[in-house]
Amino acid sequence: NAGVTQTPKFQVLKTGQSMTLQCAQDMNHEYMSWYRQDPGMGLRLIHYSVGAGITDQGEVPNGYNVSRSTTEDFPLRLLSAAPSQTSVYFCASSYLGPDNEQFFGPGTRLTVL
Amino acid sequence: GENVEQHPSTLSVQEGDSAVIKCTYSDSASNYFPWYKQELGKRPQLIIDIRSNVGEKKDQRIAVTLNKTAKHFSLHITETQPEDSAVYFCAASIDRVFGNEKLTFGTGTRLTIIP
Repeated sequence: NAGVTQTPKFQVLKTGQSMTLQCAQDMNHEYMSWYRQDPGMGLRLIHYSVGAGITDQGEVPNGYNVSRSTTEDFPLRLLSAAPSQTSVYFCASSYLGPDNEQFFGPGTRLTVL
Repeated sequence: GENVEQHPSTLSVQEGDSAVIKCTYSDSASNYFPWYKQELGKRPQLIIDIRSNVGEKKDQRIAVTLNKTAKHFSLHITETQPEDSAVYFCAASIDRVFGNEKLTFGTGTRLTIIP
């Protein structure tokens, strides 16, 4: 089992560019989520999904889109990158919902210039 | 929505001493409280969790206590070792039967063990 994988590990973007952060899991987990981690602010929920075809907004959704066409994949799209989106992004998955152990991916460090 | 506050933001303890990290939450409907450890440059990993039908849970040198009346829970690490140095996050979640599917994290505590 690879667990939760994320690509890329590092990315530098210019303001206004768009990109997609990839996340995949091979544990057949229903619940998947995206967090951003900024110094002193903990992990903040961007979007989450309770199953294929179902997504919802978290605490800080503005500027990001998600889709869940399969159980395995949960990509995060930045529509028009801004310097405020410079952060470390973690994808996580769990059995059924947020009230079970979250398995995190290795993270993507994004810098927006 | 749920708000989770965590204190202290940094904590230094002598090797072998105990460390305590405290969290408070705002939504009385929350009933799942996990703790995650994140080593430098690594991903967060679950170290212990507690549900609202239990007041205390232990796993070797770590323990978590929950006070639902006061809406706070704490992480206790005894006989600290250098490998305990990391950032620790508390979190809270409401049972999904209530329709809330979010896990809310605290802002983290950087624990440093002094040899």
